[in-house]
Amino acid sequence: NAGVMQNPRHLVRRRGQEARLRCSPMKGHSHVYWYRQLPEEGLKFMVYLQKENIIDESGMPKERFSAEFPKEGPSILRIQQVVRGDSAAYFCASSPAVGTQYFGPGTRLTVL
Amino acid sequence: GENVEQHPSTLSVQEGDSAVIKCTYSDSASNYFPWYKQELGKRPQLIIDIRSNVGEKKDQRIAVTLNKTAKHFSLHITETQPEDSAVYFCAASQKGGGGADGLTFGKGTHLIIQP
Repeated sequence: NAGVMQNPRHLVRRRGQEARLRCSPMKGHSHVYWYRQLPEEGLKFMVYLQKENIIDESGMPKERFSAEFPKEGPSILRIQQVVRGDSAAYFCASSPAVGTQYFGPGTRLTVL
Repeated sequence: GENVEQHPSTLSVQEGDSAVIKCTYSDSASNYFPWYKQELGKRPQLIIDIRSNVGEKKDQRIAVTLNKTAKHFSLHITETQPEDSAVYFCAASQKGGGGADGLTFGKGTHLIIQP
């Protein structure tokens, strides 16, 4: 049973470009969560999704950031017009309806 | 919203000694408390969790205690080994298993095991 998959593992963007981060949950998991981790800091909750629904986006910046989890395919975290402050590791986690969250390997975003 | 404080930020212990990491939370509605271990450049990995209907849980060298009245919980690692060196994060959630709620994390403890 493959774990949570994320790609790309490393992403470099110039200021003003768009970043798209993908997350495939573990088999049988219908809940996806995105977290951001700045260097030397803990993980900050951004958004929680189920298939085709955003359940809680209270941790996501109101502008430039969006997330989706379509009926088919991976969950996508999209950052438009990236700025240097967006440089961080972005982790996705998945869980079954009630249960532990398991994390993916993360995408390390660097904005030049 | 929930706020989780974690101490210490760095902990250095001799190999074979015990290590204790403490966390406090602010929201009395929180009822699920996982601990994650993160090695440099790797994903956070769950090592143990506890729900609010129990006061203590143990898994080999690792134990977690919970005091709901005081709103604090602690991670205990006994007989520490070099491979225990990592950053440890505590977290809290209100939905009894993380299955319907984002986790609120502490800032982490860098545990260093001295040979």
